[in-house]
Amino acid sequence: GAGVSQTPSNKVTEKGKYVELRCDPISGHTALYWYRQSLGQGPEFLIYFQGTGAADDSGLPNDRFFAVRPEGSVSTLKIQRTERGDSAVYLCASSLTGTVYNEQFFGPGTRLTVL
Amino acid sequence: GENVEQHPSTLSVQEGDSAVIKCTYSDSASNYFPWYKQELGKRPQLIIDIRSNVGEKKDQRIAVTLNKTAKHFSLHITETQPEDSAVYFCAESQNTGNQFYFGTGTSLTVIP
Repeated sequence: GAGVSQTPSNKVTEKGKYVELRCDPISGHTALYWYRQSLGQGPEFLIYFQGTGAADDSGLPNDRFFAVRPEGSVSTLKIQRTERGDSAVYLCASSLTGTVYNEQFFGPGTRLTVL
Repeated sequence: GENVEQHPSTLSVQEGDSAVIKCTYSDSASNYFPWYKQELGKRPQLIIDIRSNVGEKKDQRIAVTLNKTAKHFSLHITETQPEDSAVYFCAESQNTGNQFYFGTGTSLTVIP
């Protein structure tokens, strides 16, 4: 079946604008994760969903960041009042269940550039 | 489980030689250690993982060792090939949480 997909692949925006990034997990995967990867760094955890609820949002850097997963499948990461420091690749991953031993499958990422 | 150090940051080896990447962690509660390979412009992909109740795991040319006492784990790639060139990330996690904490990555170049 299809893997994790993310749209758009690239997003260029101006400082202060609002952006939405979309993630389509693998069908049947109940767990969904958002990570942020800056150049030369490893992925940094942002938020984890189990079903429709955010089980852990401790990685969100501030209240400008918000994510939803209303039907337990597709998720949207929303960033308000974007700043240049938000520029990074935003990765989504999904796993079959929320058990940590389940492999996390990553999407191709959305490269966000804030000018 | 937030401190994972990874060394070296870059590594060049001749084709056919072995490559070793090391990671250390600080949280004794960490119990799962995956390794991901990320080719340029592509998504990270799991190549091997190890749980804390195992000291070593091998899959063809790739092996991972874990020393829980010293809190470090290593990736070993033998008989390296040019297609092994990529950035490799170690990660750790605890079964009380679900997020992975990643190292900063090792850029491996295999010279033909």
